[in-house]
Amino acid sequence: AQSVTQLGSHVSVSEGALVLLRCNYSSSVPPYLFWYVQYPNQGLQLLLKYTTGATLVKGINGFEAEFKKSETSFHLTKPSAHMSDAAEYFCAVGGSQGNLIFGKGTKLSVKP
Amino acid sequence: DAGVTQSPTHLIKTRGQQVTLRCSPKSGHDTVSWYQQALGQGPQFIFQYYEEEERQRGNFPDRFSGHQFPNYSSELNVNALLLGDSALYLCASSLGAGGPYNEQFFGPGTRLTVL
Repeated sequence: AQSVTQLGSHVSVSEGALVLLRCNYSSSVPPYLFWYVQYPNQGLQLLLKYTTGATLVKGINGFEAEFKKSETSFHLTKPSAHMSDAAEYFCAVGGSQGNLIFGKGTKLSVKP
Repeated sequence: DAGVTQSPTHLIKTRGQQVTLRCSPKSGHDTVSWYQQALGQGPQFIFQYYEEEERQRGNFPDRFSGHQFPNYSSELNVNALLLGDSALYLCASSLGAGGPYNEQFFGPGTRLTVL
């Protein structure tokens, strides 16, 4: 069975600081991995995805993630946080049914 | 391009009632998936519709049913509502069914409150 674990339900950083949101996955097949962002009272927006090929994936809004098979991780980073980055972030793995299997999410707060 | 749209935005029902939620996929997409997002949780897959048929289903009871129309729009029906059905219901559309790599585009969701 496939699953995703997001470490830390709440992360707080100062504006301009590095953002690091952790995601570990479990999959018996080569995984397809996704990061989504959800702003308050809105749906999910795709930040980036890993399918095959380059393990460092660049997404929108300056975010990137690195697929590390040996560590079964797909952590999301951004060099410098902006106030507008405050939101909830979900890591997901593509399921064999064509669905997405999500983690429980990490709420990012950005302090001025 | 209007993206994925859902209606209504909010809905309040009482226990035992039935509810229908609606979704229009992104232009050009033929597959609709439904997810339930309880408060403080990640979205959980309910089912997926492709070619007007339910193709895949998550771990949800038969009280949850759906339909897809020839124009690819979809409905989610929930019968005999329970308090635990209170959640944000998200619709996602994609092109083609079954692949774990298919990018899914999400709508803004319908917030269902069961009293």
